[in-house]
Amino acid sequence: GENVEQHPSTLSVQEGDSAVIKCTYSDSASNYFPWYKQELGKGPQLIIDIRSNVGEKKDQRIAVTLNKTAKHFSLHITETQPEDSAVYFCAASVYSSASKIIFGSGTRLSIRP
Amino acid sequence: EAQVTQNPRYLITVTGKKLTVTCSQNMNHEYMSWYRQDPGLGLRQIYYSMNVEVTDKGDVPEGYKVSRKEKRNFPLILESPSPNQTSLYFCASSSRNRGNEKLFFGSGTQLSVL
Repeated sequence: GENVEQHPSTLSVQEGDSAVIKCTYSDSASNYFPWYKQELGKGPQLIIDIRSNVGEKKDQRIAVTLNKTAKHFSLHITETQPEDSAVYFCAASVYSSASKIIFGSGTRLSIRP
Repeated sequence: EAQVTQNPRYLITVTGKKLTVTCSQNMNHEYMSWYRQDPGLGLRQIYYSMNVEVTDKGDVPEGYKVSRKEKRNFPLILESPSPNQTSLYFCASSSRNRGNEKLFFGSGTQLSVL
């Protein structure tokens, strides 16, 4: 079955700097890769996703890149702000099938003022 | 407002005392799922349901039951809770059957089994 590994587990960056979180997956059939943000005391919320037919997707300060050959995908946050402090989860699944969505172990991102 | 509602938010119980965590969504989603979140392990799927009366095991189903008698409700049942089921639980729903993969999560239930 699918296995998703996420690194680092904790990340501290200076406000205004960039943050990068990396994930690898094992199942070459996976073709959908979402990222969820979990703020303190809340449930995870989808912030961006990418399908395997594209290599990069951007939404304002957030971008996700995908390398299908290496089975890597990454979340990039530029110009970090205090409200970016949260736990981030990557995930992998087969789009629109009954397959399970497998989550990574999470990255706790802290933004230093 | 579109939302997934879980109750209770916090629950402390003792080993062996049956409990139910309720989950309800108001978005007419076919797909619902339960996850547990443990430090260093991320979100692990317990059970999921593709539609009414259709449920299937996730990665960690042992010790849990679910039912899907109505489209909006997907309760999680612990028949005989044990301390290793102490965890943060999340219910989620989506219309992924129709190609929309976005999961909507509830606010979580923190369960402690003594």
